[in-house]
Amino acid sequence: GQQVMQIPQYQHVQEGEDFTTYCNSSTTLSNIQWYKQRPGGHPVFLIQLVKSGEVKKQKRLTFQFGEAKKNSSLHITATQTTDVGTYFCAGPSRGSTLGRLYFGRGTQLTVWP
Amino acid sequence: NAGVTQTPKFQVLKTGQSMTLQCAQDMNHEYMSWYRQDPGMGLRLIHYSVGAGITDQGEVPNGYNVSRSTTEDFPLRLLSAAPSQTSVYFCASSYSFTALQETQYFGPGTRLLVL
Repeated sequence: GQQVMQIPQYQHVQEGEDFTTYCNSSTTLSNIQWYKQRPGGHPVFLIQLVKSGEVKKQKRLTFQFGEAKKNSSLHITATQTTDVGTYFCAGPSRGSTLGRLYFGRGTQLTVWP
Repeated sequence: NAGVTQTPKFQVLKTGQSMTLQCAQDMNHEYMSWYRQDPGMGLRLIHYSVGAGITDQGEVPNGYNVSRSTTEDFPLRLLSAAPSQTSVYFCASSYSFTALQETQYFGPGTRLLVL
């Protein structure tokens, strides 16, 4: 089954508001990746987190990996209409060293102008 | 580089028909995979390959076959299409067979409708 659970499934915000999506795993993850999918498009890689407690920033986006490496978050400050899309986290399968990368169900972000 | 390409972009099938979804990459990537995306279900792994001649099942493999005869191509075959296979299919690839820490490059997707 899926390795990571992602919440919320949907988020509607007014432009300028902040947005956060969360990924949680029952087991320790070696790493976690984040992807963005624009409406009608394909997933595009955003970032990868590997170290415990790691925080990475990309302009208005802040990515965190929990100290126990069981959770991660993506925070967008002052959302813009260009942030619209679905954000996915992805983590490795349980007990496997090869091949299986599982995606969360995603958080669909809508930004109202 | 064209990256990851998929054909066709759209396809309508009748129940019981067979077809092959094509996926190709020109980045010399070892790892290739197929996902299906359904509303509210995210991306679910169907099959993957860690190199030519090596394939394995993902979490939803039933009804799908794959083979990997070359590094570049990874076709997905539906032997007898069912309405439950209506979905958007994405092919992805990454440089190394250790996909767990590699950026996945996705193709543009194939939208399949099975009537």
